[in-house]
Amino acid sequence: GQNIDQPTEMTATEGAIVQINCTYQTSGFNGLFWYQQHAGEAPTFLSYNVLDGLEEKGRFSSFLSRSKGYSYLLLKELQMKDSASYLCAVRDVIGSGAGSYQLTFGKGTKLSVIP
Amino acid sequence: DAGVIQSPRHEVTEMGQEVTLRCKPISGHNSLFWYRQTMMRGLELLIYFNNNVPIDDSGMPEDRFSAKMPNASFSTLKIQPSEPRDSAVYFCASSLRGGFSGANVLTFGAGSRLTVL
Repeated sequence: GQNIDQPTEMTATEGAIVQINCTYQTSGFNGLFWYQQHAGEAPTFLSYNVLDGLEEKGRFSSFLSRSKGYSYLLLKELQMKDSASYLCAVRDVIGSGAGSYQLTFGKGTKLSVIP
Repeated sequence: DAGVIQSPRHEVTEMGQEVTLRCKPISGHNSLFWYRQTMMRGLELLIYFNNNVPIDDSGMPEDRFSAKMPNASFSTLKIQPSEPRDSAVYFCASSLRGGFSGANVLTFGAGSRLTVL
């Protein structure tokens, strides 16, 4: 199984930078995803890491350290529309053969951006 | 592309009634996933299909839950009989090539909010 931890809530100011951390424990790591979910809406894909290091995509960056079981999502130049829940999801191998993977989501970090 | 389409968007029913949730994946996607989301437990995988075949249903809570995918463009999740603890938002998602290789990502539908009284 997997254990994924991320803070429940965070608050940050418009224009600032915020870092959302995610720690995980898994036996067959095969990738880490970040999804954004606005209230009452579906999760949407933000980023994917499978190798150590930083992946940058505009105002959003995601970092992974496999040896530490740790990732973070960095949001720069925060905007009010960034207020949402951010879900960390870990994929791991659960067996052999096609489709033997499992994608497990953390409970999400609710980010509130204030003026 | 219309994306992943789910129906109904909202369902209110009484305990003991049968509930059927429907999903149309994105055309060309060959993997389909059913998730349930609650405040307490977050987003949980119930079952997923590759090429219409169920691969992993270990997340299905109990025998009251069943899922089918009769063809590549349609899936159902059925709860019979429903109980108040089944109240949640049920998401369907689809992906290309098994969803679990490379950076293949899940595209989620808008969800079906189920309330069992």
